[in-house]
This record gives sequence, C-alpha cells and structure tokens, in this order.
Amino acid sequence: AQTVTQSQPEMSVQEAETVTLSCTYDTSESDYYLFWYKQPPSRQMILVIRQEAYKQQNATENRFSVNFQKAAKSFSLKISDSQLGDAAMYFCAYTLNRDDKIIFGKGTRLHILP
Amino acid sequence: DSGVTQTPKHLITATGQRVTLRCSPRSGDLSVYWYQQSLDQGLQFLIQYYNGEERAKGNILERFSAQQFPDLHSELNLSSLELGDSALYFCASSVGVTGIIGNEQFFGPGTRLTVL
Repeated sequence: AQTVTQSQPEMSVQEAETVTLSCTYDTSESDYYLFWYKQPPSRQMILVIRQEAYKQQNATENRFSVNFQKAAKSFSLKISDSQLGDAAMYFCAYTLNRDDKIIFGKGTRLHILP
Repeated sequence: DSGVTQTPKHLITATGQRVTLRCSPRSGDLSVYWYQQSLDQGLQFLIQYYNGEERAKGNILERFSAQQFPDLHSELNLSSLELGDSALYFCASSVGVTGIIGNEQFFGPGTRLTVL
C-alpha cells in the first residue's frame, strides 16, 4: 500500500529558529513527486515545496528546504528563521508520475513560540 | 487565492439527507479532483475528472458520486448521509493530467459539511 508517515503529530519552535519536520513514504515505484503542503487555520491548502524524485538536488523555496533521501524514502522539511505566520498544519504528500491522486500523511501541527 | 472556488462554504444537514457540493476550477484547468479531510481518515483522494470524463477513483463511497460539466465545473453529490460523513471537502484543479511537468494541483477553500 502507498503510505506517508509523519511521526511528529505536533512540534514547537521558537520564532527565528530552525525546525525540521520528518516524513517517510512507501512506494515501490521510482517515478513520483513529493510535496509539502501547509494548512493554516483558514484551512486553505497551500503548496510549500515540491521535489521530483528523479532530481538528486534538494528543492528550496526561500526559507523552506527539503532533505530528500530516495533510498531511505525520506523527505523532511526544514524551515529556517521561523515566523509566526508559519504556524500551521504541515502535510507531506506524494503522487506517482503515472497517477494524479495525491497521497497525504496525517500531518504535523507546528507551533511558533514568540 | 488559488483561483478555485467552492460553494457553499458551510453546510449543515441531517442524517439520511442528500447534498451537492460545487467546484469551479481555475480558468484553463481541465482536471478537477475531490478530496475529503476528516479527523479519522485524514486527507483522502476521492475522485478525479478530466475534461468531463472520470479519470481516477479513490476511496469514494458508493453513496457519493460526482460529475464534471461541459463548462468544467464539478459537483460532488453525497446521499444517505451519515454522521461519519462530516468532514471538510476540498476540490482541486490542475491544467492536465499526470506526466505533465508542473501539473500542480491548486486547492479550493473547501466546504465544511456537518451531518447532525
């Protein structure tokens, strides 16, 4: 079965500090995309960052970067210089290249401490 | 604002009833996806339509059905509602289908369904 595991249901980080959210996934396929989505209290799903599995280089988007370990099926998200607006639920997810449905993890709720 | 609109924002109904959720995709997007977010099951893919045709099915109950109309808007019909159907229902849209680089799905704001 295709699954995504986020082992940290909740995390807290001090404002301006760095935090890393963990994610592992399970697929036997080699061609897929990985995502981190943010869901703030407004409930809107916002794409934070994406990674193509065929690319070795880790994706970065401003303060957000990933550590993609394909062999280990690990895809962690690092948020640098945490800001109050980063407080949200973060979902790790992936989609196979031959398929369109997104498989989501259960999420990690991130609290930012002022 | 993702450009995807969903109506209504909130819906409260009783068990056994039937409701229709509506989604308008971003301009130019041909694919529409429906997802259910519940406390028990998390975020789950329900169904996908591409240019009016059903393309993929996920964990969608037989009591649920969907369609995509010629103007590309989509409706999700939920019937014989049960308490466990209470959830946030998201619609997402994308330009095309799998294999297209950058086929990002853009999510709407969701419809909160409460079944009493």
